Parts: sequence; structure tokens; C-alpha cells
Amino acid sequence: ETGVTQTPRHLVMGMTNKKSLKCEQHLGHNAMYWYKQSAKKPLELMFVYSLEERVENNSVPSRFSPECPNSSHLFLHLHTLQPEDSALYLCASSQDGTVGAFFGQGTRLTVV
Amino acid sequence: GEDVEQSLFLSVREGDSSVINCTYTDSSSTYLYWYKQEPGAGLQLLTYIFSNMDMKQDQRLTVLLNKKDKHLSLRIADTQTGDSAIYFCAETQGGKLIFGQGTELSVKP
Repeated sequence: ETGVTQTPRHLVMGMTNKKSLKCEQHLGHNAMYWYKQSAKKPLELMFVYSLEERVENNSVPSRFSPECPNSSHLFLHLHTLQPEDSALYLCASSQDGTVGAFFGQGTRLTVV
Repeated sequence: GEDVEQSLFLSVREGDSSVINCTYTDSSSTYLYWYKQEPGAGLQLLTYIFSNMDMKQDQRLTVLLNKKDKHLSLRIADTQTGDSAIYFCAETQGGKLIFGQGTELSVKP
């Protein structure tokens, strides 16, 4: 285990469903991130939370809604997704937001 | 920001050295990183180099940094089949990690 745990590991959802991805870090870090990894594309930074405040939202559609209730937990709420949203969603955490990041195993999302 | 660029594929024979190259864009990056992603897994921080260094060695891994050319490389000595994975370089832009597309390393026995 890397210290960053994501659940579920796999998720299949219909376009009208609502689901949530969960991330938990046990490293005492103060920043958390959501990345999207699609085939043949660079990792896309979606959201950044620092000290539980959202500091970055990279033009992500509103059908993705992040939540950071405390410094150890990060959620990504999903609703009315599109098939092109199918990807690996990676959570990461870091300290001070500058010295690298530690990643979870990811959630493989398939939208049908 | 602009793209961090890597070649997409590299194939080597077991026991040979692998060299994975990366061109980054932000000369103010404090750290530059190499991450490894095995199939079905997240990214694992492999090594990093501070921007005032030009070389860092860690067992079989050697990182070379050419700040003038904004070129970063990762050399893996005595490459093993377990090294087969996708390798990402990353720079920091405004405190955020920006990744290249990744280089898929294939190690043939």
C-alpha cells in the first residue's frame, strides 16, 4: 500500500447514475489532488485542495464535483457522466504542494 | 502550460541499460520527477532531482539533468523484466505537477 487508498478500484456506471469516488491518505499531507488518466493522453490535473480549500479547478465540467471534508479525505462526486469520461481517476497527496506527490492505485471508471 | 515531452515507447533486452528521455518547459521547476506506473496500478514516485543538481544516482537508477537544454533523462542499469512499465517525467509549474505522456518500457528476455 502506498499510503493513499482509493475506493472503489473499478466502477461501471450508466449515464444517469450518481456515484462517488473516495480517496484517503494516511501520510499527514496537507494537499490532495484528482487526476484523470485517459488512454494516449497526458495525466490531466482536475482539482487541487490545499488545507481543505479548493485552490485549482482546471475547467472541469460540473458533472464532476469534488469534496474535501478534512485533510485526509477527498471525494469526487459523479453525475450524468458521458462515455468519454471513462478513464482511470487517480488521487494523490503531497506536503506543501511542491515536493512530488504520492498516488493511490486509481479507480477505473467505465461509463456505459 | 506547455507540454512535457517524452518518446512513447522503448524496447530493450534484459541486462541492457535503458535510457528514457524527457524535455520539460518550466525553468523555474524546483524539482523534477520520475514516476513509474505498472499495469493496473497508480503512479509510484521513483526518484527526483533537485534543480541545482545535474546528476543523482540511486542504485540502478541515474538521473541526469541538463538545465540549459531543459532535458531530463533516466538511466536504468541492468534492466530487468520487472522494470517493464510506463515511466512518466514530471515538472512543477506553479506548484503543480505536470506530467509527460509517459514512455512505455518493454523489456525482452
